[in-house]
Amino acid sequence: GAVVSQHPSRVICKSGTSVKIECRSLDFQATTMFWYRQFPKQSLMLMATSNEGSKATYEQGVEKDKFLINHASLTLSTLTVTSAHPEDSSFYICSASPGGNQPQHFGDGTRLSIL
Amino acid sequence: QKEVEQDPGPLSVPEGAIVSLNCTYSNSAFQYFMWYRQYSRKGPELLMYTYSSGNKEDGRFTAQVDKSSKYISLFIRDSQPSDSATYLCAMSVGGGGNKLTFGTGTQLKVEL
Repeated sequence: GAVVSQHPSRVICKSGTSVKIECRSLDFQATTMFWYRQFPKQSLMLMATSNEGSKATYEQGVEKDKFLINHASLTLSTLTVTSAHPEDSSFYICSASPGGNQPQHFGDGTRLSIL
Repeated sequence: QKEVEQDPGPLSVPEGAIVSLNCTYSNSAFQYFMWYRQYSRKGPELLMYTYSSGNKEDGRFTAQVDKSSKYISLFIRDSQPSDSATYLCAMSVGGGGNKLTFGTGTQLKVEL
């Protein structure tokens, strides 16, 4: 149980393109989902907390207009990287918790490469 | 000083060895402690989830939490080459729906 699916797993696109990444909880409902960014050989950096039906909470230094988050249902959150540039190239990972005191489970990540 | 300290390794052990991975932390408010395993180019996979101090065992894995020392450990018995991965400790003040603070991760290699 507690499976989180993330798509796409790999994206290569030109500079200036907007890219949407989906995160789905397959077998549970998630009021809260999280979006992380990970650089090579580094730990996960929390970008934002996504709450169903309300605005996301962004961490300090993360541009809200650059990284648009929508959490329209209890099983789906999306991250859109708008007008992506090479410096946005990274590994993006989402997580979700069934709620209460249950732990977060992670998707398999999306490797984004901006040319 | 980082809130959570973890030796990045790499740690190399022979197959069958007992592996000990550790994290220290400074925030005494942390109550929930997790260990995740991350293979290259994959998302973290939850291994162990514990609340407050004590031990928890699951198969070849044992997690220990010592809140008085602000120290957590993960032991892997009879290590296998398939255990080769990066191990991340994580902790939070509240339960799973709350913000996690991660260690930097320890890279483990189990050699034949």
